[in-house]
Amino acid sequence: DTGVSQNPRHKITKRGQNVTFRCDPISEHNRLYWYRQTLGQGPEFLTYFQNEAQLEKSRLLSDRFSAERPKGSFSTLEIQRTEQGDSAMYLCASSLDRWGRNEKLFFGSGTQLSVL
Amino acid sequence: DAKTTQPNSMESNEEEPVHLPCNHSTISGTDYIHWYRQLPSQGPEYVIHGLTSNVNNRMASLAIAEDRKSSTLILHRATLRDAAVYYCIFATGNQFYFGTGTSLTVIP
Repeated sequence: DTGVSQNPRHKITKRGQNVTFRCDPISEHNRLYWYRQTLGQGPEFLTYFQNEAQLEKSRLLSDRFSAERPKGSFSTLEIQRTEQGDSAMYLCASSLDRWGRNEKLFFGSGTQLSVL
Repeated sequence: DAKTTQPNSMESNEEEPVHLPCNHSTISGTDYIHWYRQLPSQGPEYVIHGLTSNVNNRMASLAIAEDRKSSTLILHRATLRDAAVYYCIFATGNQFYFGTGTSLTVIP
């Protein structure tokens, strides 16, 4: 168990560029979550996967955001045509769902995005 | 969408107990109460969770009110390493909603 891994740790991009982040969850965890966090605020839910199926998306997730989890393993979060308002820490978490109960989340260290 | 209410900040002296309160009046009967904490530049870290009865683990204790509309996280002896933002959350459906949390300062 090496924990949840996120890459890159930091990303600086120019407005209008596309960026992609990767999350490797703890192996055998069937649930994977993406959150966004800005300074002084708690993490905001973006979306989550049960295995490879994306089951829920927040209304915060605009059409410029897309997430995938092929084969139910790692996940990617892509932001197209980035805007300065997208600057935030993007956190990934995974959990092992048993019998429909919400088990504890294991978070990665996040990817800090800065849009210039 | 935050459904919990916590004080913005609290202070504690080192090696003294700390009681961090949380109100969650809209919680349903099957929602678990979770507590996480976050250090600067790190992702949140699980602390404890429970449903109805009080819970203990090596990190903390969780006291849940009988009506489940509030709970208290208890750190029995605060250390400098416990200085963090503490989030009280509960999962509605499959989403965990985080509020702004309580920033705990531990005074040496």
